[in-house]
Amino acid sequence: DADVTQTPRNRITKTGKRIMLECSQTKGHDRMYWYRQDPGLGLRLIYYSFDVKDINKGEISDGYSVSRQAQAKFSLSLESAIPNQTALYFCATSDPRQDYNEQFFGPGTRLTVL
Amino acid sequence: GESVGLHLPTLSVQEGDNSIINCAYSNSASDYFIWYKQESGKGPQFIIDIRSNMDKRQGQRVTVLLNKTVKHLSLQIAATQPGDSAVYFCAERDRGSTLGRLYFGRGTQLTVWP
Repeated sequence: DADVTQTPRNRITKTGKRIMLECSQTKGHDRMYWYRQDPGLGLRLIYYSFDVKDINKGEISDGYSVSRQAQAKFSLSLESAIPNQTALYFCATSDPRQDYNEQFFGPGTRLTVL
Repeated sequence: GESVGLHLPTLSVQEGDNSIINCAYSNSASDYFIWYKQESGKGPQFIIDIRSNMDKRQGQRVTVLLNKTVKHLSLQIAATQPGDSAVYFCAERDRGSTLGRLYFGRGTQLTVWP
């Protein structure tokens, strides 16, 4: 079973629609992240969360919001989707108890905004 | 600011040959580096990591070399196989980062020919 899951895996929507992408993890990690990946570019951080009560903006948070409903769940919302938000979105987790902590990624959600 | 980049966007090798994927970084405060492999339709998967107090680390068929003098990181894959075809990302962590935030390069597409 996957440790980090994302739903939906693919989504096509129209400009102006509100979209929610969901991430769940069974790794028991406190830290969770949302990234965006565009062709030819590396992963860019949208939001991250230390724990349930902590939410922080990443480098490209405009147009996005998040909710950390529980340790295991971290949702990303696009309040009013626009075409340049078409991208591959990844959720990741990490364990703060490890000094050098890798991030574990979900399978991604491919979002297309028409 | 942090900057992680790759020298070549694509690399083609023949099955059985060794592959070398390079990565340059600019932040001298980076203390931890990771190589990720991303297969088509999947999220990034951890391959190997190295701390800044090391200059070489070996895994199964993979070796990471770190040259802090020139801020250069490389991933060597021995006896490359078709299953190694993927995009490879390097990522770095700033020593001053308290949340495990990573900065990713753009990636190198490795294609292995039979």
